[in-house]
Amino acid sequence: RKEVEQDPGPFNVPEGATVAFNCTYSNSASQSFFWYRQDCRKEPKLLMSVYSSGNEDGRFTAQLNRASQYISLLIRDSKLSDSATYLCVVSFLTGTASKLTFGTGTRLQVTL
Amino acid sequence: DTGVSQDPRHKITKRGQNVTFRCDPISEHNRLYWYRQTLGQGPEFLTYFQNEAQLEKSRLLSDRFSAERPKGSFSTLEIQRTEQGDSAMYLCASSPGTGDYGYTFGSGTRLTVV
Repeated sequence: RKEVEQDPGPFNVPEGATVAFNCTYSNSASQSFFWYRQDCRKEPKLLMSVYSSGNEDGRFTAQLNRASQYISLLIRDSKLSDSATYLCVVSFLTGTASKLTFGTGTRLQVTL
Repeated sequence: DTGVSQDPRHKITKRGQNVTFRCDPISEHNRLYWYRQTLGQGPEFLTYFQNEAQLEKSRLLSDRFSAERPKGSFSTLEIQRTEQGDSAMYLCASSPGTGDYGYTFGSGTRLTVV
C-alpha cells in the first residue's frame, strides 16, 4: 500500500466550477500535511499547509481528518490558471528526521 | 537569485556512462534533499543532508548513486553506469531545518538515458 494515495485524475472541469480532491495516508504518526502544486515540467511549489481545524486561502480550502487519515482540497470558482497537478504531501519521522512524502498527484484541467 | 539552483537542466547520456548533477541550495538553509520523479508519479525521497553530513539514504539509492555536500553548501549527485531506468527528473530541495516547513525546490535536472 502506498504511503500517500490520490486519485490521479484527470479532472476536467469548466471554468467557474468547484472541484474537490481527496487523499489518504497510511502512517498514523504523520506530523505535517500539505498540498503542493506542480505545473507541467516544473518543480513542485507549496500551495498550502493543512490543519485539523481546516484552513482557507482565497478560493482554496484544505481539511485534515486525522481519525480517518484523510486530507482534502477544495477549489472554488476554478480558473484556467488552476490547471496543474496537485500533490498531497505528508511528513513523518523516519530515520533521523521527518521528510516529505508525496502522493502521485491529481491532474486538474480547467477548460473554457 | 535567492532560490535553489540545479545544473544542468537537461542531460542526455548513453547507457553505462556516469553523470553528475549539482544543486546550490538557499544559502541559509542547512538541510538539503534529493528527490527523484518519474512520469506520472510524485517525487520520491532519495537522500538528505544536514549541513555536510549525509544523514539518511533511501533504499531507492542503489550503490551506483552517491551524493556529497562537502562544505555544507552545494551538493552533487553522481550516478555511475547509468541505466535506462535512471531516466527521471532529479529534484533538489533545501529547507532551514526547522521542521517540515520552508522547503524550496529547484527546477530539477531531467535525465534521459538512451
